[in-house]
Parts: sequence; C-alpha cells; structure tokens
Amino acid sequence: GAVVSQHPSRVICKSGTSVKIECRSLDFQATTMFWYRQFPKQSLMLMATSNEGSKATYEQGVEKDKFLINHASLTLSTLTVTSAHPEDSSFYICSARRQGERTEAFFGQGTRLTVV
Amino acid sequence: AQSVAQPEDQVNVAEGNPLTVKCTYSVSGNPYLFWYVQYPNRGLQFLLKYITGDNLVKGSYGFEAEFNKSQTSFHLKKPSALVSDSALYFCAVRDEDTGRRALTFGSGTRLQVQP
Repeated sequence: GAVVSQHPSRVICKSGTSVKIECRSLDFQATTMFWYRQFPKQSLMLMATSNEGSKATYEQGVEKDKFLINHASLTLSTLTVTSAHPEDSSFYICSARRQGERTEAFFGQGTRLTVV
Repeated sequence: AQSVAQPEDQVNVAEGNPLTVKCTYSVSGNPYLFWYVQYPNRGLQFLLKYITGDNLVKGSYGFEAEFNKSQTSFHLKKPSALVSDSALYFCAVRDEDTGRRALTFGSGTRLQVQP
C-alpha cells in the first residue's frame, strides 16, 4: 500500500525559532500534497495545497509567509513554521495523492508541534 | 462549496452491538465520500470510500457505509463493535465537479465501545 511518512512526529521549539516538517511519499510519486492543521478535539483544516515544482496554494486566512511550503520533488514536501509562537502549537498532518490518482489521498502520521 | 456534517460528537455502544456513525454532505456536483479513523496522536487511516457504483461500500476492519443520494448521507456502520474500534472517526467529501482537489472534513465523531 501507499505510505506517507511525516517527520518529526513530535517537536518542541522556543518562541521565535523556525521548525521544518517533512512529508515523504515512500513508495509512490505524489504530484500533489496537502497540509492540514488540527486543533485539539477539532477537525482537520486545510492550510495549503502543494504542487511539485510550483508555488503552493494557500487557503484563506493562512499566512503564506509564516507557513512556508516547498514541494521540490515528487516524493517530498516540507512545511516550515517561521518565527513560531505558542499559538502555532498544533497537530499538523500532511497527505499525498498518487500521481495520476484522482480520488484517494494517503495521510502521514502527523506532527505534534509545541512552541514554548 | 462543499461541506460535511457529523451531527454526533460522541457515540457510545456496547461491545458486540451494531454501531452507526452519521454523516451528511453537501456538494454542488458529484461527491466522492470517505471515512477515516484517527487514533490518539496519529494521522488518519483510510477506512473506505464511495466514488461510484454500489451504494453499499465495504471497507477495512469490517466497516461499511451506505451512500444515500436522496438523503445526502454516508453513514458508517459495523454489525458488531469491538473495544479496539474506539477512536475518532472523520467523514470527508470532495466535489469532483468543482475541481477542488482537497478533502473537506466533518468535525469528527468519537466512538466509545464499552466492554
């Protein structure tokens, strides 16, 4: 089956620093990856859609300068939370759609970010 | 716009009893519907999907869901619940006709199966 690996699974950082989260499709090529944010006891909210080789498309209200997304290859997308603040603490989940696939997306295991 | 409603925050069921987790959706075109399960501090695991064809969809771990176009529903069911089924369940939709590629998720329903 298709596997999406997200790293790190947990990270604690100081206010003002930047954190990079990686999302890799291990056994398939993903032209499109999605980044979601999940607050405690709430649903997943789409942050941005990442396309290989082009700029990400951000959802309304998501600061593109704060949440930098890079999708440099068909198997890797990264989300960098810049100048993190405690309110950025959340669970971040990526998903990837297999090249040519129009329906199912596969999810990473998520990253718990805590900003202190 | 596409949207999903999961009217129940929590569903409690005794082990061995049938379970139903409700989901209704709203799309302007043809829906692609999904169910995912999430365990604490983990990503989402795919359970099943409806794209086209038979309205009754069978998925992983004995789960199934029935697509009802007239009621715009896609309820998740299992004939006999297990304690290990206790988790957070999300229904999701994508409107294929709009070209929006991301899924829209419901608010989630916590399933608690009591021994």
